[in-house]
Amino acid sequence: GDQVEQSPSALSLHEGTGSALRCNFTTTMRAVQWFRKNSRGSLINLFYLASGTKENGRLKSAFDSKERYSTLHIRDAQLEDSGTYFCAAKNTGGLSGKLTFGEGTQVTVIS
Amino acid sequence: AQTIHQWPVAEIKAVGSPLSLGCTIKGKSSPNLYWYWQATGGTLQQLFYSITVGQVESVVQLNLSASRPKDDQFILSTEKLLLSHSGFYLCAGEKDTQYFGPGTRLLVL
Repeated sequence: GDQVEQSPSALSLHEGTGSALRCNFTTTMRAVQWFRKNSRGSLINLFYLASGTKENGRLKSAFDSKERYSTLHIRDAQLEDSGTYFCAAKNTGGLSGKLTFGEGTQVTVIS
Repeated sequence: AQTIHQWPVAEIKAVGSPLSLGCTIKGKSSPNLYWYWQATGGTLQQLFYSITVGQVESVVQLNLSASRPKDDQFILSTEKLLLSHSGFYLCAGEKDTQYFGPGTRLLVL
């Protein structure tokens, strides 16, 4: 079945620095979403991309369907950026709206 | 703006007892609706989806059922809970982008 490989599984960043999370897909996906888990365990939408890049504040995401990957860049990391981030991809066929999730990246920002 | 409400917030139930989890979505007409489940330490899995009232498709068999009695309402239920049903249940609504509700934490003892 469709698989989403998310890396790294954990990431430590010093305040003010940046890094990137990546998801590789085993098949062609038609869209990707990036989420962040809140304190209660639910998921907050960060980005939805069908192609190209989107930017929101210090976060930027890119999606390349042909090359089968998506990235989430964090720049100028702040303590409040700590948390678990997930990518989820929507496949091109099969069930409408079926999202396949990556296993998440635990981001820790340290001062 | 779209808002998703789930109930209850959390529940502790006995094995073999019935379960009903609810989800309502406001702010979008005729959204696609989804139920997800995450076992402790596990990956989020899609359980059911519905594109219209009265129509529900099962994605993963977990001895659970779902119904969509109204356009803005999605119900997850079972007549007999299993220990393996414990976990975190998320409802999501979609118009292109999926938005998630706050979730229900279930512990089956």
